[in-house]
Amino acid sequence: QSVLTQPPSVSAAPGQKVTISCSGSSSNIGNNYVSWYQHLPGTAPRLIIHDSNKRPSGIPDRFSGSKSGTSATLGIAGLQTGDEADYYCGAWDSRLSAYVFGTGTKVTVL
Amino acid sequence: EVQLVESGGGLVQPGGSLRLSCAASGFSINQYWMIWVRQAPGKGLEWVANIKPDGSDKYHVDSVKGRFTISRDNAKNTQFLQMNSLRAEDMAVYYCVGDRGDGTMYWGQGILVTVSS
Repeated sequence: QSVLTQPPSVSAAPGQKVTISCSGSSSNIGNNYVSWYQHLPGTAPRLIIHDSNKRPSGIPDRFSGSKSGTSATLGIAGLQTGDEADYYCGAWDSRLSAYVFGTGTKVTVL
Repeated sequence: EVQLVESGGGLVQPGGSLRLSCAASGFSINQYWMIWVRQAPGKGLEWVANIKPDGSDKYHVDSVKGRFTISRDNAKNTQFLQMNSLRAEDMAVYYCVGDRGDGTMYWGQGILVTVSS
């Protein structure tokens, strides 16, 4: 059972914006950086946000990340059909001495 | 071209062992934390283990402690996951990951481990 909680699904029309929440605790999000990953079925996951709000090279600025207290949020603006995927947050958990992924959120473009 | 290529997966009976390997090319792993992540059928991503660039520290998820061991050979640009006492719940696609910690992260395509009698 994951210690990071995400909504199972979010959806919006093309061009709109979606946000995905990731709720944790002081032992993970509260005191460590958050990363976000995009996972399309049948492919390898891809890092899209690191250090809570930084985009790796090649990731469009439509993707944004933020963190406040023990929660983090991923935003996807200008939604495209190619954004349909599962999205996971992740963070190091200092109490568990383990990395934890969120429960995952399926993004659907209507 | 950067690549991480996993090998060593396949079908194994419960209680059996497998050793996964992950060969890197196009970059040197000696600056990277190396990681194994898995995804069971119909489930989300699960971090399995990671190991420091110099191999001095390693961590494993509780569910595999005492059964799985992560290791690396920087000279061969390869990391490994020794999996013993395999259980049905270990059945998953296992991904090899290299993380430099600065936003540079590489993932392999994954390899299937099936645990069944």
